[in-house]
Amino acid sequence: DAGVIQSPRHEVTEMGQEVTLRCKPISGHNSLFWYRQTMMRGLELLIYFNNNVPIDDSGMPEDRFSAKMPNASFSTLKIQPSEPRDSAVYFCASSWGIRYGYTFGSGTRLTVV
Amino acid sequence: GQQLNQSPQSMFIQEGEDVSMNCTSSSIFNTWLWYKQDPGEGPVLLIALYKAGELTSNGRLTAQFGITRKDSFLNISASIPSDVGIYFCAGHRGRGGGADGLTFGKGTHLIIQP
Repeated sequence: DAGVIQSPRHEVTEMGQEVTLRCKPISGHNSLFWYRQTMMRGLELLIYFNNNVPIDDSGMPEDRFSAKMPNASFSTLKIQPSEPRDSAVYFCASSWGIRYGYTFGSGTRLTVV
Repeated sequence: GQQLNQSPQSMFIQEGEDVSMNCTSSSIFNTWLWYKQDPGEGPVLLIALYKAGELTSNGRLTAQFGITRKDSFLNISASIPSDVGIYFCAGHRGRGGGADGLTFGKGTHLIIQP
């Protein structure tokens, strides 16, 4: 089991550019979560999917953020246009239900300059 | 979104000492989880608690689900250098097997002095 796989591990981009973060959940998990981690705000839930369907996107900060899950093995988080305040570590996690915990990926460290 | 109140924010201890940290909330959670995060990595699940009053151990780690369902505690006995990291509590409100988002505390930084 390779775990939750995120790419890229690091991304540096200029303000105004589009950024796409990718996640491959653990095979068989039916829920996928996107979190953002900053020093000031800690770990914040952005959006989550159950069976590829977005359930709650109330944590998405602005319309510049969008997430998709076209199939059970792939999800993307897109920021367009990016701003310096979007700089953070973005984590993807997957789960087969709360009793089994959530497994996190290693994260994507995004820096917008 | 709502945050859990986790304390202490950081701990400087000597190797071999016991460690205690806790998490409180103004509202009820039905599941409490404790995670550890190493630098450059994602959080890793340590212990999960599903019932009020439950006490669960994982090696040198022991965690408890508070009776009020508004708090949880994590203890680490006889700390070793590899215990260094950030420990997060997380609460989950959903009942049954459904997967909803977790609410996280801001973490406790554990630093072990030689």
